[in-house]
Amino acid sequence: ETGVTQTPRHLVMGMTNKKSLKCEQHLGHNAMYWYKQSAKKPLELMFVYSLEERVENNSVPSRFSPECPNSSHLFLHLHTLQPEDSALYLCASSQDPGFGNTIYFGEGSWLTVV
Amino acid sequence: RKEVEQDPGPFNVPEGATVAFNCTYSNSASQSFFWYRQDCRKEPKLLMSVYSSGNEDGRFTAQLNRASQYISLLIRDSKLSDSATYLCVVGGDDKIIFGKGTRLHILP
Repeated sequence: ETGVTQTPRHLVMGMTNKKSLKCEQHLGHNAMYWYKQSAKKPLELMFVYSLEERVENNSVPSRFSPECPNSSHLFLHLHTLQPEDSALYLCASSQDPGFGNTIYFGEGSWLTVV
Repeated sequence: RKEVEQDPGPFNVPEGATVAFNCTYSNSASQSFFWYRQDCRKEPKLLMSVYSSGNEDGRFTAQLNRASQYISLLIRDSKLSDSATYLCVVGGDDKIIFGKGTRLHILP
């Protein structure tokens, strides 16, 4: 069983819909992340949270809105997305947000925007 | 120069062969290095960390060359199950950067 779980695993949404991705980590980690992985592109870091506080936002459009209610849960709220936002969205966690920490990924949420 | 650069491949290698890939990084102040493996339509998983002295884990050997700013991954006696994309990960300046990955296909 993975230490980082994501739901839903697959999501199809229209451009006017509002949906949310959910992530939960069972590893006791302090840092959580959202990454985007599109075809033929490297992993793109979207947001970093450390102890529920957002410490990094990599110029992500406001149609993506993260929420971290506690150190074990992370959400990504989606609204008025574009077809080019279709991608695999990966949640991850690490003990701390520093660069020396191993990152553990969830299985990802496959998002298709139609 | 890209922050982390890898040959995208694919590398098509017969089963049992040895294969090696390199990854170059641009930030000389980088301090942590990893190889991750990603199977098709799955999440990346840590394969091994890369230490200054080099390290080995079974058939896998990772090495770091700070002078030339690259890390390498060597896979000996390759298995069909080694087919995957291998991601180079470099950490420094409080950032972790993933490479695009190198695709490896092991041929029966």
